[in-house]
This record gives sequence, structure tokens and C-alpha cells, in this order.
Amino acid sequence: GAGVSQSPSNKVTEKGKDVELRCDPISGHTALYWYRQRLGQGLEFLIYFQGNSAPDKSGLPSDRFSAERTGESVSTLTIQRTQQEDSAVYLCASSLRRYEQYFGPGTRLTVT
Amino acid sequence: TQLLEQSPQFLSIQEGENLTVYCNSSSVFSSLQWYRQEPGEGPVLLVTVVTGGEVKKLKRLTFQFGDARKDSSLHITAAQPGDTGLYLCAGSNNAGNMLTFGGGTRLMVKP
Repeated sequence: GAGVSQSPSNKVTEKGKDVELRCDPISGHTALYWYRQRLGQGLEFLIYFQGNSAPDKSGLPSDRFSAERTGESVSTLTIQRTQQEDSAVYLCASSLRRYEQYFGPGTRLTVT
Repeated sequence: TQLLEQSPQFLSIQEGENLTVYCNSSSVFSSLQWYRQEPGEGPVLLVTVVTGGEVKKLKRLTFQFGDARKDSSLHITAAQPGDTGLYLCAGSNNAGNMLTFGGGTRLMVKP
């Protein structure tokens, strides 16, 4: 079966522009997570979706960041008015069982 | 906020050597996970340890969860160049649905 997929794999944008990143989770996985990973570092939690419950947005760094998920399928992470400090790899993960998260390959965002 | 500290941050060794990576916290976690990440890819789950004092072996890799469930270690025996990568530990909350990641240990094994 297909794993978690993310698009685009790379995105270069100019400071001030908006970007939208997409995540296709593993089919049937009820939980979906977004993380940010700065170069060579660990993962920073951004947002968590579980079924039809209200998302946990506690990790979003500013109101320029938002995310949506349609049912238990695709999710999009939107960053408005991008800044250079937003440059990072954005990782998506999905999960069905406790403790098990499966990660996509990430989207490398570069803000120039 | 639960924090996980990994050490060392960087490790460069020769093929055949043994190594241990540590993951420490002042907080108690319901479980501890270890991931390996290669460049351009997402982290891949290696193991989950749940019980204090638990030891799990995966071929040449041995994972241990501390008795107090605050720390963990990863030991690699006879390292190979294919072990090169970023090793991440992650602690889980009681519900098992939220992970706190350590900063990672970047391992390079030279042939």
C-alpha cells in the first residue's frame, strides 16, 4: 500500500508570498500531524488532526500558519506572508494506532 | 513542556565500532520511540518501548527504556556505513497520540 505522500517536494518562494503544502495520509489513518524540521534538528510539532475532532493547533508558531483537513483524507498547511525563518522541511505523518506515526518525505521550503 | 535531550549531537566512527546514543528527560513518558532519518526522507520508526526497564533488540541495535521512563538509550554493535543517518528519539504522552522529539544524533560511519 502507498505511504504518506507530500507535495511539492521542494518549494522556493519569495518573502511575503503565501504557500500551500499538501499531505496525503495513508488510507484509513484517522490521525494526521504536521511537523517542522529546521536543518539538522529534531521535529517541532505544529498541528494534529484526529477524525472529526477540533484540531490541536497548539504548535503553530504564529497566526500566519494554518491547516485544514477534509474528513480523514488530504490536509493542506498554509503559510501566509512567508518569512525567511519559515525555511525548513515540513513533514506530515499519519497514524491509526497508538504510538505509531508514519512520515512522508517532507516538503523543503526555502524563502528567499 | 516536556523536553528530550539527545547526546551526542554528532558522532563519527569507523566501521566495526560500537556506539551508544542517549535520550534524557526530566519528564516521564508513557512510551519512547526511536526513529532513523536519511537525507531527503521522513523519519522511519525503528522501535517503541513502553515498559520501564524494557530492552528490545533489532539485529545489531539494542534499545533500552529507563526504569523511571525518563530516559532511553540506543546501542549499535559493529556499526556499518549503512547505519549512517539522523537518529531521533521521541517521547509519547499518555494517550499515545502526541510526540515530543529530541534534537537528534547525527551518526556517520566511515568504511
